[in-house]
This record gives sequence, structure tokens and C-alpha cells, in this order.
Amino acid sequence: GAVVSQHPSRVICKSGTSVKIECRSLDFQATTMFWYRQFPKQSLMLMATSNEGSKATYEQGVEKDKFLINHASLTLSTLTVTSAHPEDSSFYICSARGSVGAGEQFFGPGTRLTVL
Amino acid sequence: RKEVEQDPGPFNVPEGATVAFNCTYSNSASQSFFWYRQDCRKEPKLLMSVYSSGNEDGRFTAQLNRASQYISLLIRDSKLSDSATYLCVVKGGMGRRALTFGSGTRLQVQP
Repeated sequence: GAVVSQHPSRVICKSGTSVKIECRSLDFQATTMFWYRQFPKQSLMLMATSNEGSKATYEQGVEKDKFLINHASLTLSTLTVTSAHPEDSSFYICSARGSVGAGEQFFGPGTRLTVL
Repeated sequence: RKEVEQDPGPFNVPEGATVAFNCTYSNSASQSFFWYRQDCRKEPKLLMSVYSSGNEDGRFTAQLNRASQYISLLIRDSKLSDSATYLCVVKGGMGRRALTFGSGTRLQVQP
């Protein structure tokens, strides 16, 4: 299957700093990328959907000014958590989907963010 | 009400047992249905799609009942390696293209 990478896999930062997470589709062009967040023992919750070259669509309750998403190319999307706080500590997972075939979503390995 | 509801478990079963997971979804316009598997601290991985006619993949059988908005997964002859969290996932409806995940059912297969 297609490969999606995320970087970094783990990050620990101080409260108030900003953290950027990269999501790359390695062997296909991702017309759409999704960002999910998963708190312990909870389901993956969709944060936003982004299409290459256009603004991301955020889910209700997700602050677009806090979670900045950039989908600058067909293989790269970034999520920046601005002024991170301890309550932002979570598992962030991206998912990418191409335009070919059934449009299966492929998931990245996730980024575990811990804000001290 | 959650869009996708699952029994959180955990289900603790011995090796070789048959175990069934159930899931209900609230959006009748949902179009596609899946079971994903998620290991601890890992990303979810597609286990199988679910069709109304029922489908089987080795020891795994999935079933969809659109009228009842109910999805099931049956695992036969459980292996230790089946221990994971099983996520019921739906897609579509109300213009949504993203996947909507249930909170998962944890399975622990014991020797």
C-alpha cells in the first residue's frame, strides 16, 4: 500500500512554544490530507481537511488560528500547533488520499506531542 | 450521541476463541464502512471493508445491516497477535469525505 510519513514521531516541548508536524505522501500524490487527534483511550477525532493549494476546512471546535495547516504541495502538509499548552498533548495522525482509484486513506505513523 | 458507537471492552478471550464486535452508526447517509485495527501507540491500519452482502477475509468476517445501521466483526480462532483495539469506521454522508471513527473495542487474547 501507499506510504505516508510523519515527522517528528515524538516531540516534547515547553508550554507556549510552537510545534510543526510534517506529513508526506511518499509514493503518490495526495490531493486531500486529513489531520486527526487522538487522546488516550478515545477515538480519532478529525481536526481538519486540507486540499492542495486551498485553505483547510476545520471541524467544529477546532481553532484554526491555533492549529495552522498548510498543504503547499501534493506530497506535503504541515500542522503547526501554535503556543502549545499541556491540554494540547495528544497523538496527532495525518492521513492522505489520492485521486486515483477508490481513494483509500493512508495513515501516517502519528506524532506524539507532550507539552510540559 | 456519538456518530459511531462501540463497546469499549476490553474483551479478554483465550487463544482459539471466537469473538464478535458490534458497532452502530447514527448517520443513515453513511456510504462506506470499515474495520481498522490499532495497536498501542500506533496508527490505525485497515483491516477490511464491510459490505451489506457480508465479506470474509480468512478468520475475519464482517457484516453490515443498513436498515439497523449496525456493523459487526467476527474473529474466529483468535491468535495472540490479534490483541489490539478494533475501530469501527464509517465514511460519507452529509458531504463528509473523511473517515469517522468509533472509540474502539479493545481485544486481549490470552495464552
